[in-house]
Amino acid sequence: QTVVTQEPSFSVSPEGTVTLTCGLSSGSVARSHYPSWYQQTPGQAPRTLIYSTSIRSSGVPDRFSASILGKKAALTITGAQADDDAEYFCVLYTGGGSWVFGGGTKLTVL
Amino acid sequence: EVQLLESGGGLVQPGGSLRLSCAASGFNFSNHAMSWVRQAPGKGLEWVSSFSGGGGTTYYADSVKGRFTVSRDNSKDTLYLQMNRLRSEDTALYYCAKCSGWRPYDAFDIWGQGAMVTVSS
Repeated sequence: QTVVTQEPSFSVSPEGTVTLTCGLSSGSVARSHYPSWYQQTPGQAPRTLIYSTSIRSSGVPDRFSASILGKKAALTITGAQADDDAEYFCVLYTGGGSWVFGGGTKLTVL
Repeated sequence: EVQLLESGGGLVQPGGSLRLSCAASGFNFSNHAMSWVRQAPGKGLEWVSSFSGGGGTTYYADSVKGRFTVSRDNSKDTLYLQMNRLRSEDTALYYCAKCSGWRPYDAFDIWGQGAMVTVSS
């Protein structure tokens, strides 16, 4: 069974830079996993930030960027703002039409 | 503006059935894969099922395979999820999501607000 790993929590100072990662319990994340990133605040539906590794969704500020770093997918927030305080989920395509989400990273901006 | 509106959620007893609908607007529905993703209370996101665009292939998470059926009516721009033999662990907010393209690896790019399904006696 495929397990997608994310840091449970992270903190960043306002205007700081933070990189969240998304890995696989066994193996490396590749572009063929089409890693995508979502932001969710309490009581709200997820908001798409990035899909297919690095394509920024419409309306997403360019302080959000993503790539493959080493063996993991990575989401970088440059110049964090107070309203970036949220939970961030990644998802990986595992083949045969299936997707697996990571457990999410709770990002605190303080 | 792209919109997805889920309906059909509610309270159902274990072993019961429910059908969710997702009415789509603002894009060429038939050209896009569509998916269902759920979130149990206080938990993370879980992919449930997808229906590809074009010819239409369906995909299911192991946790729902054989119990849930995804379908779509392109003439009505609507996606459905028929849920049978429901279990308590199926209790969740079910999101409908538009995918960025028609292929199975095109990720979710637009989300609805969700429909709550509660399985309890």
